[in-house]
Amino acid sequence: KAGVTQTPRYLIKTRGQQVTLSCSPISGHRSVSWYQQTPGQGLQFLFEYFSETQRNKGNFPGRFSGRQFSNSRSEMNVSTLELGDSALYLCASSLAGTGAYNEQFFGPGTRLTVL
Amino acid sequence: AQSVTQLDSQVPVFEEAPVELRCNYSSSVSVYLFWYVQYPNQGLQLLLKYLSGSTLVKGINGFEAEFNKSQTSFHLRKPSVHISDTAEYFCAVIEAGTYKYIFGTGTRLKVLA
Repeated sequence: KAGVTQTPRYLIKTRGQQVTLSCSPISGHRSVSWYQQTPGQGLQFLFEYFSETQRNKGNFPGRFSGRQFSNSRSEMNVSTLELGDSALYLCASSLAGTGAYNEQFFGPGTRLTVL
Repeated sequence: AQSVTQLDSQVPVFEEAPVELRCNYSSSVSVYLFWYVQYPNQGLQLLLKYLSGSTLVKGINGFEAEFNKSQTSFHLRKPSVHISDTAEYFCAVIEAGTYKYIFGTGTRLKVLA
């Protein structure tokens, strides 16, 4: 079974630009969550999508948005990029959600550098 | 959980020595606890989890952790580490009734030859 895939793996943008990251979950998984990982901050939860609906949201500004398609693939968009948005963005999929009894499987991440 | 604390940002240890990575959390409700490992250029992989039952939990690659409710801790241990255990380790918590993982800031384990 293929794992969670994320594209692109690396991305360099400049301040003010926007970016779209993509995540393909494990086949059959309906939940996709996004995290931002930065040194010293660990992983910060961005949002979770389940069956095309945003079900949970972290404490990030509105510049961070996402969506999920009918095939469970998800995209995350960041508009008006700031230097502080440089991070590793991780996607995780699970069968039914992010509850404790639903194991999350993580992708390798997209490393975004904002210059 | 209000927070998850991993006090040690880096832990160097010699090969075949034992290691303990510390994790403490703060919460006023029941929690579920997890340890994840992240190898270079890879995503996170679940090492072990505590959901209920025995407070001593065994995971993959010879790791184990013990849930101590009174001390609000979930320390990760391995009796003898290998070079291949060099990675970053994250402790995470979910409060009962919620769906959000709260992650610690990670501990970088470096195993020395």
